[in-house]
Amino acid sequence: NAGVTQTPKFQVLKTGQSMTLQCAQDMNHEYMSWYRQDPGMGLRLIHYSVGAGITDQGEVPNGYNVSRSTTEDFPLRLLSAAPSQTSVYFCASTAYDGAKNIQYFGAGTRLSVL
Amino acid sequence: KNEVEQSPQNLTAQEGEFITINCSYSVGISALHWLQQHPGGGIVSLFMLSSGKKKHGRLIATINIQEKHSSLHITASHPRDSAVYICAVRLRGGSQGNLIFGKGTKLSVKP
Repeated sequence: NAGVTQTPKFQVLKTGQSMTLQCAQDMNHEYMSWYRQDPGMGLRLIHYSVGAGITDQGEVPNGYNVSRSTTEDFPLRLLSAAPSQTSVYFCASTAYDGAKNIQYFGAGTRLSVL
Repeated sequence: KNEVEQSPQNLTAQEGEFITINCSYSVGISALHWLQQHPGGGIVSLFMLSSGKKKHGRLIATINIQEKHSSLHITASHPRDSAVYICAVRLRGGSQGNLIFGKGTKLSVKP
C-alpha cells in the first residue's frame, strides 16, 4: 500500500511553460484534492474531486486544470506557468467513512516558476 | 478575515514540558482536523474531531463546538515533536474533503 504518491518532487519551469503534477493513490478513496502551500498563507484548496469523472473548484483554481478519469489518479495541470504559481503543492485523498474521515497527503511537489 | 486562527504562531519548549496549541474558528463546522507537518514537508493527519476529546499516545485533542475552539495538547514533549501543527475545519454542509486551514503553529522542542 503506497498511499498517496506525487511526482515530481521538485520542478523548475520558465514562465509560459506547461506541466502536469501527478497524483496517484492506491486506497480506493473517492475524494481527492490539490492544495498549494505558500509562506504565511497556510494550505489553500485548488481543485477537488468527489469521484471519477467529477471535479470542482476550490479556493484558488485560476491557472490550474484537473481531470479525474480514474479513481486512482488526479493530475493537476498548469497550462501556462506564472511566477505566482511558485509554491509547494500537496495532493490528498480521503475515504468517505463517516466517523473516520482522515486525509492522506502526498509528500509534496516544490515548484519554482522563473 | 481568517476563518481559522491558530495561536501561538511559534512556540519553543524544553523537553518534557506540557504544550498547548489553540485553534479558533468563526464558521459552522461539521469536523475539525489536526495535522502535523515535519521539516521535510510531509503532512500527517493526527485527529479528526466533531465533539469531545480524543487521545493518541502523548497527544490529546479537544473541541468545544459552542465556543468554536479546539486545543491540541502534547504531554511530556520530545524534540521529535518539533513540527508545524495545523488546524483545519470542514464546513457544515460542505464537501467531505473541502477543508479550510489555519496558518499553523511552529513548535520547537529543545533537549
